[in-house]
Amino acid sequence: EVQLVESGGGLVQPGGSLRLSCAASGFTLSDYWMHWVRQAPGKGLVWVSRVNKDGRSTTYADSVKGRFTISRDNAKNTLYLQLNGLRAEDTAVYFCAASDSLAFDIWGQGTMVTVSS
Amino acid sequence: QSALTQPPSASGSPGQSVTISCTGTSSDIGGYNYVSWYQQHPGKAPKLMIYEVSKRPSGVPDRFSGSKSGNTASLTVSGLQAEDEADYYCSSYAGNSNWLFGGGTKLTVL
Repeated sequence: EVQLVESGGGLVQPGGSLRLSCAASGFTLSDYWMHWVRQAPGKGLVWVSRVNKDGRSTTYADSVKGRFTISRDNAKNTLYLQLNGLRAEDTAVYFCAASDSLAFDIWGQGTMVTVSS
Repeated sequence: QSALTQPPSASGSPGQSVTISCTGTSSDIGGYNYVSWYQQHPGKAPKLMIYEVSKRPSGVPDRFSGSKSGNTASLTVSGLQAEDEADYYCSSYAGNSNWLFGGGTKLTVL
């Protein structure tokens, strides 16, 4: 079964850090560009970041640039998102997604990040 | 990086058709044929319904169709069924390896 499973979410204080992971199974991660997309409670989807197949090229939404870092380990079939300098407005469910033809083909179930003191 | 514009809500009776619009600019929807649509039921992950403006992934019913004219894309759901009630999001490639989503449309089946 093709599957993405996120982990690493939780409650963190403002200014804190978290590292999210996204493990792929049933397909080869290195065949896809990978993304992180987030959804604040009761709000819409927002694209956060993307990494190309070999991990050498990354892009970020302006709202997270300089604070978040996307990376991947194709040998472990795993995608990561390092979240630093967290703010209340970063509170959201974070989804990883595998992309082919510039669409988001495969989605994980999401992991919740709550930034609060 | 402004979000694409979608109506907050849409509705139709079973068996009817409903169309959801998604408006962007010449830098995103108008500039690329990489518009996609996603269905999201409450508490669930989004599901790809349409990619590259009008293509359906395997397993998506042909009741779902997509189109684009200028800076506006549309998703049409024909023969509405109860299980189509969900939130729908459009997305577009916006160049320089950036993507945009719409604000989402809540589809109600009356």
